[in-house]
Amino acid sequence: TQLLEQSPQFLSIQEGENLTVYCNSSSVFSSLQWYRQEPGEGPVLLVTVVTGGEVKKLKRLTFQFGDARKDSSLHITAAQPGDTGLYLCAGAQTGFQKLVFGTGTRLLVSP
Amino acid sequence: ETGVTQTPRHLVMGMTNKKSLKCEQHLGHNAMYWYKQSAKKPLELMFVYNFKEQTENNSVPSRFSPECPNSSHLFLHLHTLQPEDSALYLCASSQDPTGGEQYFGPGTRLTVT
Repeated sequence: TQLLEQSPQFLSIQEGENLTVYCNSSSVFSSLQWYRQEPGEGPVLLVTVVTGGEVKKLKRLTFQFGDARKDSSLHITAAQPGDTGLYLCAGAQTGFQKLVFGTGTRLLVSP
Repeated sequence: ETGVTQTPRHLVMGMTNKKSLKCEQHLGHNAMYWYKQSAKKPLELMFVYNFKEQTENNSVPSRFSPECPNSSHLFLHLHTLQPEDSALYLCASSQDPTGGEQYFGPGTRLTVT
């Protein structure tokens, strides 16, 4: 079973701080997605990265796909309480009709 | 607005009850999925349907029975569940079944008493 390990599992920070979440695997993925899930809701897609080394920015969020397409990171600058939630990475592999989801990082940003 | 709706949002059922969860997607996608999300566990894929045909059953117990009458609707029929089946059940859809971007519904919070 392919695994995507995320770290840290939990992160509690103050508003305005920066943070990075990591998503690592020993498997190669054709693409990788990041989702955010708020309490009582389903995950919402934030971004998809496809090319090794690719960097995408979404306002204060920066996503990077590793050169070997085995890992990814999410960096948030000047975190806000609205960033609170569960962050999930998910990898797609050629020939498989499913995504492999990461273990999740629960982020709490306090005012 | 996700375009994927799920009903009911909350469900409490006894172990001898029979109930069904419903999912509908308004995105014109071809693939639909059922996931189970328990506390402190990664998201678990249960079933995958592609063009109404089941293409993945991730060793799910037979007390969970999926049904996909068309590409827009997906059901999960529940019977004789166990307390450990209590979880958030999420439905998702995607245009590309080979790991394409998935759009999730809000989930059904199920409690088995």
